[in-house]
Amino acid sequence: GENVEQHPSTLSVQEGDSAVIKCTYSDSASNYFPWYKQELGKGPQLIIDIRSNVGEKKDQRIAVTLNKTAKHFSLHITETQPEDSAVYFCAAYVTGGGNKLTFGTGTQLKVEL
Amino acid sequence: NAGVTQTPKFQVLKTGQSMTLQCAQDMNHNSMYWYRQDPGMGLRLIYYSASEGTTDKGEVPNGYNVSRLNKREFSLRLESAAPSQTSVYFCASRRLPEGDTEAFFGQGTRLTVV
Repeated sequence: GENVEQHPSTLSVQEGDSAVIKCTYSDSASNYFPWYKQELGKGPQLIIDIRSNVGEKKDQRIAVTLNKTAKHFSLHITETQPEDSAVYFCAAYVTGGGNKLTFGTGTQLKVEL
Repeated sequence: NAGVTQTPKFQVLKTGQSMTLQCAQDMNHNSMYWYRQDPGMGLRLIYYSASEGTTDKGEVPNGYNVSRLNKREFSLRLESAAPSQTSVYFCASRRLPEGDTEAFFGQGTRLTVV
């Protein structure tokens, strides 16, 4: 089955700096890669996603890049703000892969003032 | 719309006790899921239901059972709770079982087994 590795497990940045979280996946058939943000005491919420036919996608301060050859994808947050502090999860989905989203282990992002 | 609603939010069980975690969604979604979240291990799939009337095992199904009661509701049952089942449980739903559709999560149930 699919295996998703996520790094780093914790990340601390100064407000205004950029943050990058990286994930690798094992199944070359994976074709959908969402990113979820989980605030304290809440369930994960989708913030951005990318499909396998796209190399990069941006939404304001958030961007995701995908390298299918290397089987890795990354989340980029620019001009970080304190409200960006949360746990971020990457995930991978294989069409026909048993209907499952496989999640990474999460990254605790802390944006310091 | 409430989205995905889980009950209870917190629960403490003694080893060997049973309980059912409830989940309901009001988005007319076809697929529903149960995940557990443990430190350093991300979200692991316990069971899922691609559509009303079907259920399948996920990555960590041992010690759990599920029921897809109707299109809205998907419950998770612990027949004989063990300390290893101490975790935060999340229910999620998706409009379609296949393809790139967003998963919506409930707020979670924090379960402690002593």
